[in-house]
Amino acid sequence: GAVVSQHPSRVICKSGTSVKIECRSLDFQATTMFWYRQFPKKSLMLMATSNEGSKATYEQGVEKDKFLINHASLTLSTLTVTSAHPEDSSFYICSARGDWGQETQYFGPGTRLLVL
Amino acid sequence: AQSVTQLDSHVSVSEGTPVLLRCNYSSSYSPSLFWYVQHPNKGLQLLLKYTSAATLVKGINGFEAEFKKSETSFHLTKPSAHMSDAAEYFCVVSEKGSNYQLIWGAGTKLIIKP
Repeated sequence: GAVVSQHPSRVICKSGTSVKIECRSLDFQATTMFWYRQFPKKSLMLMATSNEGSKATYEQGVEKDKFLINHASLTLSTLTVTSAHPEDSSFYICSARGDWGQETQYFGPGTRLLVL
Repeated sequence: AQSVTQLDSHVSVSEGTPVLLRCNYSSSYSPSLFWYVQHPNKGLQLLLKYTSAATLVKGINGFEAEFKKSETSFHLTKPSAHMSDAAEYFCVVSEKGSNYQLIWGAGTKLIIKP
């Protein structure tokens, strides 16, 4: 149980285009979803926290207009990287937690974004 | 404020020998502690977690960790390393006071020598 999927697993796009990444909780309702970014050989950096039906809370230094997050349902959150640039290339990971155990997050497999 | 320190960026052991990955934390409240593993180009997998029950926690793949409040440590161990254990390991802390936000250690790369 507690499976989280991400789509796509890998995406290559041209500079200036927008890319949408989906995060789904497959077998539970995720009241809260998180988006992380991981640089090569580094730990995870929390970008934002989203609760279903409300606006996402962004961490300091993360541009909310560049990284649009939507959490429209209890099983789906999307991250859209708008007007992507090469410096946005990274590994993006989502996680989700249900309402039964707030201390545990379940992670998606990640999406590798390469902006040319 | 919470923080996590993984004392070793790399640990190299021979196959069949014990593994010790060290983690120290600081927390204002009673923390929850986790170990996650990330294999190359793979997602994160929860190895084990401590949430105020037994201080010795057993996880998957033969790993275990002991919560020692007096030492503010949560070291990860395994009696006998296997080649498939080669991966990046992250120690993570969360606490109720910060709405269970996860604070990540820098990671320890475990290298297994044949």
